[in-house]
Amino acid sequence: KQEVTQIPAALSVPEGENLVLNCSFTDSAIYNLQWFRQDPGKGLTSLLLIQSSQREQTSGRLNASLDKSSGRSTLYIAASQPGDSATYLCAVKAAGNKLTFGGGTRVLVKP
Amino acid sequence: EADIYQTPRYLVIGTGKKITLECSQTMGHDKMYWYQQDPGMELHLIHYSYGVNSTEKGDLSSESTVSRIRTEHFPLTLESARPSHTSQYLCASSGTGPQKWETQYFGPGTRLLVL
Repeated sequence: KQEVTQIPAALSVPEGENLVLNCSFTDSAIYNLQWFRQDPGKGLTSLLLIQSSQREQTSGRLNASLDKSSGRSTLYIAASQPGDSATYLCAVKAAGNKLTFGGGTRVLVKP
Repeated sequence: EADIYQTPRYLVIGTGKKITLECSQTMGHDKMYWYQQDPGMELHLIHYSYGVNSTEKGDLSSESTVSRIRTEHFPLTLESARPSHTSQYLCASSGTGPQKWETQYFGPGTRLLVL
């Protein structure tokens, strides 16, 4: 059974600092890995999707890497802003179109 | 922004009542999903559908039921609500592209409180 773990569970940084969020998964037989953002009391917004054959994806200040063989992904957010405060979730997709989510990392960026 | 809607957004209801959480999408997606998320906890898949008249139970056991009579509509029903059903329920949908590229689009969620 696939298990997804995110470390740390919570992170507080001053504005301008770079953020590093980690995700690990136990079964490397995945189609893709996604990073989502969730604001309090709201749904999820997809940030980046990395196919299993890719090593990284970039969108603006966000960069996500994937090492499928070791079961790890890292989300980097450069020059953090208070608006980046949210919970970040990673999810892996395996056969059957099912997503398995990690517990999330709650990020607080202080002005 | 994804066109997937959930109503109500918030619901406070007494034990024993029957409730239906609505989910609709206007993207023509064939696949739809229901997730349950307790505060500060992981999302767990409780139901999914690959098309009209197709429904399956997810990884987390749930007393709720779902139906898929129309492509765009995927309601979730609790016949008799209990306090243990208090949670946030998130609906999602995804399209018909290759699995490795397919992403799920999420609705805003329904926060349910059963007294």
